[in-house]
Order: sequence, then C-alpha cells, then structure tokens
Amino acid sequence: GESVGLHLPTLSVQEGDNSIINCAYSNSASDYFIWYKQESGKGPQFIIDIRSNMDKRQGQRVTVLLNKTVKHLSLQIAATQPGDSAVYFCAEYKGPTNKLIFGTGTLLAVQP
Amino acid sequence: NAGVTQTPKFRILKIGQSMTLQCAQDMNHNYMYWYRQDPGMGLKLIYYSVGAGITDKGEVPNGYNVSRSTTEDFPLRLELAAPSQTSVYFCASSYSGQGRYEQYFGPGTRLTVT
Repeated sequence: GESVGLHLPTLSVQEGDNSIINCAYSNSASDYFIWYKQESGKGPQFIIDIRSNMDKRQGQRVTVLLNKTVKHLSLQIAATQPGDSAVYFCAEYKGPTNKLIFGTGTLLAVQP
Repeated sequence: NAGVTQTPKFRILKIGQSMTLQCAQDMNHNYMYWYRQDPGMGLKLIYYSVGAGITDKGEVPNGYNVSRSTTEDFPLRLELAAPSQTSVYFCASSYSGQGRYEQYFGPGTRLTVT
C-alpha cells in the first residue's frame, strides 16, 4: 500500500547547527509533498511544499530536497534555533480531494 | 481571518457519553477534514468533506459521525465514547483547485475518555 515514513524518529542538534530531517515515500506516482511543523500543544503548521517536477525548493532558512529516483524527501533547516524544536511531518498529496498521507513524524530537539 | 477554530480545547468524557467537537473556518474552503492524533503518532483521517452536504469516510471512521450543512462548519460527533477514542482531534481545511493542496489546521481538541 501507499505510505509515507520517516527514517529518524528523534533528532537532537546543537543550536546554530544545520538540521536534516528525512522522509521516504512509497508511491512513485506522487506529485506533491508538504512539510509541516507541529509545536507542542498546537496544530500542524505548513512550512514548505514541493512538486514532483522540482528537485529543490528553498524558503526562509528551510530547504526541501526531492529525490524521485529513491523516493526520498528531506527538510534542511539552517542555523537551527530553539524555536525550531517541534515534531516535523512530511505529507504526501493524495488527490483529488486534497487528502494527505502523513508520516509518523520526527522530533527535533535543539540543545542550547 | 481567524482561520480554523475548534471548540472545546479540552474535554473529559465518561464511557458511553456522547459529544460534538465543533470546527469552523472562515477562509471559504470547500474541503474540510477531521484527524485524530494519538500520543507520539502521526495524523489519521477520520472523515472529510468536499463541500456542504457531502461527506466521506477516511481511514478510521468507526465510532464517529459528521455533517456539513454549511461551508464554514464541520462538526464531529462521538456517540457512545470509548477509552480508545482518547486522543487529540484536529480539524483542517483546504482550497479546492488553484493548484494549492496544503491543509490549514485548527489548534486541536484534547479528549480523554475514562
């Protein structure tokens, strides 16, 4: 079946370092992916998205990379800050009703 | 815009009781969704709606019901609450068409069934 999963359930980084969060997906026909950030006690918040016709997309301090050959997605956060501490989910678009398939999440813990 | 709002924020139910979780959005989104999130887990889709009067089951619909009488509101009904329904419930909405697929989430309702 289709699934989206994460390689690392917990990632601990030092403040100021770069963070890389990985995600694998199984449906090679998927054409749209989203990264969400979920802070403790809050709902998921959109960070960045990428379409399958792109390999890379940059936002403010975040970059998403898509490798369709190995069905792998990553989220890079530059100069990680304490406010980046959260659970990060990748989600795979499952059209046509905009349904998303969510992975289990990676907890990013930023050490001061 | 308030975005997606949910009430209540917290609720404790006894086994067998019923309740309705409220969800409203003011972004004129056609699509709306209900998820549950168990501790340390991802989100599982309970029900979704593509417009007023239209609803459909998601991955885990058993024990829940929904209705969509207006574009803005999408309440989730729990009948005969069970401990397995202890979870955090999130409502979300999204655009239809326009090539935008991200969902906007509410703050969640934390439900405990004892």
